[in-house]
Amino acid sequence: AQSVSQHNHHVILSEAASLELGCNYSYGGTVNLFWYVQYPGQHLQLLLKYFSGDPLVKGIKGFEAEFIKSKFSFNLRKPSVQWSDTAEYFCAVNAGGTGGFKTIFGAGTRLFVKA
Amino acid sequence: DADVTQTPRNRITKTGKRIMLECSQTKGHDRMYWYRQDPGLGLRLIYYSFDVKDINKGEISDGYSVSRQAQAKFSLSLESAIPNQTALYFCATSRSLADYNEQFFGPGTRLTVL
Repeated sequence: AQSVSQHNHHVILSEAASLELGCNYSYGGTVNLFWYVQYPGQHLQLLLKYFSGDPLVKGIKGFEAEFIKSKFSFNLRKPSVQWSDTAEYFCAVNAGGTGGFKTIFGAGTRLFVKA
Repeated sequence: DADVTQTPRNRITKTGKRIMLECSQTKGHDRMYWYRQDPGLGLRLIYYSFDVKDINKGEISDGYSVSRQAQAKFSLSLESAIPNQTALYFCATSRSLADYNEQFFGPGTRLTVL
């Protein structure tokens, strides 16, 4: 069965620090990969996605993620975080070329950025 | 206007009560989902529907039922609520055969079962 593992449950950073959130998945076939963000009190929003092509994808608000197929990983990065990046981040995996039938979410990583 | 709406946004109820959470969407998507979010567990799929005549159980369907009244509406029912169903519930939609199942979420319903 598919599973998604996010390595850090809580991360605390100071503003301007660099961010990397780990995500590993278990599935041997074609995957579609997503990072969603949930700001305090809000619903989940798509941050970025990978379907095919360049394994380094760029999303909104300066975030990027790199798909490393050999490591089954899709880590999220941002060179310099801001206080407004305080949120919970979810990695998600969907199996199949055109979307399969369901998406599996990781447990989430809560990021707190100190001003 | 929001594309995916949920009602109510907050609900407090007692053990044994029947509760219905409603979801509506104006995105024209055919696929709809219900998730619950618990701290440290992320989002877990309760039920999903790929069209009006299609209902499928997710990983945690026990104690829940759903109804897809129309393409735009997908309701979640708790027949007899229990305290461990206290959680944040999200409805989501996606479009089949496009966008690789990118999902769009509603604002959530915070349910407390006393």
